[in-house]
Amino acid sequence: EIVMTQSPATLSVSPGERATLSCRASQSISSNLAWYQQKPGQAPRLLIYGASTRATGIPARFSGSGSGTEFTLTISSLQSEDFAVYYCQQYNNWPLTFGQGTKVEIK
Amino acid sequence: VQLLESGGGLVQPGGSLRLSCAASGFTFSSYAMSWVRQAPGKGLEWVSAISGDGGGTSYADSVKGRFTIFTDNSKNTVYLQMNSLRAADTAVYYCAKAWSSSYYYFDFWGQGTLVTVSS
Repeated sequence: EIVMTQSPATLSVSPGERATLSCRASQSISSNLAWYQQKPGQAPRLLIYGASTRATGIPARFSGSGSGTEFTLTISSLQSEDFAVYYCQQYNNWPLTFGQGTKVEIK
Repeated sequence: VQLLESGGGLVQPGGSLRLSCAASGFTFSSYAMSWVRQAPGKGLEWVSAISGDGGGTSYADSVKGRFTIFTDNSKNTVYLQMNSLRAADTAVYYCAKAWSSSYYYFDFWGQGTLVTVSS
C-alpha cells in the first residue's frame, strides 16, 4: 500500500497570504495525484488532478506541482472561503489512498 | 451530475446494511464509481470501487470479504452491501464518480450517508 503523508497537519495563514501544502508518497506515483478541499459538513470537492491540472471551475489561485513522490498544493492568496481541510489522493496503485489532511485555518 | 446516497442508519455489531447511490446527469454505465468513508473527526478512507461495465471491483483490505459493491445500470444506482459490521465501520459513507475506469480520482461526490455501528 502506498502511504500518503501530508504536512503540516495544520497551517495558520492570514487572508491574502500564500499557503503551501505538501504531500509525499511512499513510492513513486508518477503524476497520478489529486487534491481535494473539504469544508465542515460538506463532501470533498476536487481541486486538482494529474498533480497540476485544475478541475472545472477551480480558481486560478489554486495550483499544483510535483511528480514522483513529492507534491505541492499552493494557494496564492487565501480567501475566506479557502479555509478548509485539504487532502491528497494517489490513484497510481491499488488500493487508492488518501493523505491524512492539512487543515488551513485563519491566523 | 447528482449523486444521492441512502440506506445509512444505526446497526448492531455483526449486522448488515445496504447503501444505495442513485446517479443522474451522466451516462452511468460509462463511468467507474466508488465508495469513500470518513469516520467522525477523521480523514478520508477509500472503501471500494467498480468499473463502468461492472466487471471489475476493488476493495480496501479493511472491508474485503465483508463488503460487496455492485451496480444496477437499469436504475443508475451503485450499491454497497455491508455485512459483519464492526464499530470501526462507523462513518459517513460517500458515493463518488470516478473520472474514468483508468483514472480513479473523483470529480463528483454525494452528500454522504451516516452509518453507526453500535449496540
